[in-house]
Amino acid sequence: AQTVTQSQPEMSVQEAETVTLSCTYDTSESDYYLFWYKQPPSRQMILVIRQEAYKQQNATENRFSVNFQKAAKSFSLKISDSQLGDAAMYFCAYRSAPQGGSEKLVFGKGTKLTVNP
Amino acid sequence: KAGVTQTPRYLIKTRGQQVTLSCSPISGHRSVSWYQQTPGQGLQFLFEYFSETQRNKGNFPGRFSGRQFSNSRSEMNVSTLELGDSALYLCACRVSGLYNEQFFGPGTRLTVL
Repeated sequence: AQTVTQSQPEMSVQEAETVTLSCTYDTSESDYYLFWYKQPPSRQMILVIRQEAYKQQNATENRFSVNFQKAAKSFSLKISDSQLGDAAMYFCAYRSAPQGGSEKLVFGKGTKLTVNP
Repeated sequence: KAGVTQTPRYLIKTRGQQVTLSCSPISGHRSVSWYQQTPGQGLQFLFEYFSETQRNKGNFPGRFSGRQFSNSRSEMNVSTLELGDSALYLCACRVSGLYNEQFFGPGTRLTVL
C-alpha cells in the first residue's frame, strides 16, 4: 500500500518570503500522480498543483512550484512571495495512474502554514 | 462552472443514531469519492462510486455505506453512530482530463454526542 509522509506539522513564513513544504511517499508503482491540496480555514479543499510521475520537468503554477525527485520519492512544494491568503493546511496526495481505475487519493497528515505580516 | 455540493453542512447526532449525507457532483461527472477527515487520523478514503457502482472501498466498518444514483448524486450512510465518527466528511468528484484531478465539496461537519 502507498503511504505519504509530511514531516512538518507546522511551518511559518514571513509575508513576501519563500517557504518549502516537504513530502515523501512510498510506492512500488512506476506511474502515478502527485498533488498538493490547500485547505484554508473555510475548509474547502483546493488543488494547488499536480505532477505526473513520468514527467521529469517540475510543475509550476504561478508562485507555486514543486521539486519532484522520483528516485528519492520526494515531492516538495515551494511557495514564493508568500501572501497572507496562503495561510492554510497543505496536504500532499498520491494517486495511482492507471486509466479507468480507482481515483483514490492517499493523503499525508498535512502541514499547517502560517504567514506572518 | 457549478461546484460540488454537499448537504447538510453541519449535523449533530447522538450515539446510536444513523445519518445520511448527500453529495451532488459537478454536472455531468460520474465519479464520486468520499473521505473522512479527523484531527487524529487525517484524511481517509471511505469509498468511490462510478456510474452507480462502488469501484473501491476503504478500511471502514460495515456501518459506513454509500450509493450513487443515476443522476450521479451520491449518499453515504453511517448507522449506529459512535463518538469517533465525529468528523468532516468530504466528497470529491473527478474532472475528466489528463490528470483526472478531483474537486472537493465544502464538506459536512458531523458531531456525535
